[in-house]
Amino acid sequence: NAGVMQNPRHLVRRRGQEARLRCSPMKGHSHVYWYRQLPEEGLKFMVYLQKENIIDESGMPKERFSAEFPKEGPSILRIQQVVRGDSAAYFCASSAGRGATSSISTDTQYFGPGTRLTVL
Amino acid sequence: EDKVVQSPLSLVVHEGDTVTLNCSYEVTNFRSLLWYKQEKKAPTFLFMLTSSGIEKKSGRLSSILDKKELFSILNITATQTGDSAVYLCAVVQGSSNTGKLIFGQGTTLQVKP
Repeated sequence: NAGVMQNPRHLVRRRGQEARLRCSPMKGHSHVYWYRQLPEEGLKFMVYLQKENIIDESGMPKERFSAEFPKEGPSILRIQQVVRGDSAAYFCASSAGRGATSSISTDTQYFGPGTRLTVL
Repeated sequence: EDKVVQSPLSLVVHEGDTVTLNCSYEVTNFRSLLWYKQEKKAPTFLFMLTSSGIEKKSGRLSSILDKKELFSILNITATQTGDSAVYLCAVVQGSSNTGKLIFGQGTTLQVKP
């Protein structure tokens, strides 16, 4: 399966714990995006990364949230000291980015199945 | 403030009906508009629109963009129960170095047998 992979699919944490969400982009994709979907709300952009670089983090909360996309391995969204308001579905998407040979525009983002985070 | 607005927010129809979903936007540095279908999992890609007036079609689904009036529509003909889902409209914003999506609230479509 060459689709976007996310794990875990469900994550339960108690207040104050750390949550680590992982995303492996689609094969051949080098651009990763994280979005958050709060209950009864739409998807909101959080951060856009390329390998080893954060390109746009304008949607990230200023504290407790961080993201990385190392040279090797998946992208990680890390939430420290979780609070109940962090409970949401976190989706990762990937795109081909610049230099792609695909006929589909590099703007097309393909989504993973999401991680549903529940903070008790 | 950049925004994407979808209407209606919810819609209930019967199998065989035709539906039109609307998406209007006010976004700086518009690049393209995408439609997704979301069931109880990941949004799945339907269409990407970049040019005005060119209809994209896939089976019973079609979509068109009007960049002058800043809106797009998604049409579904001969609806089936499997079309029940949340339909998301998103605008790609930014220079060639960024590509974040700004989503609308979604339209929840329920197709009854």
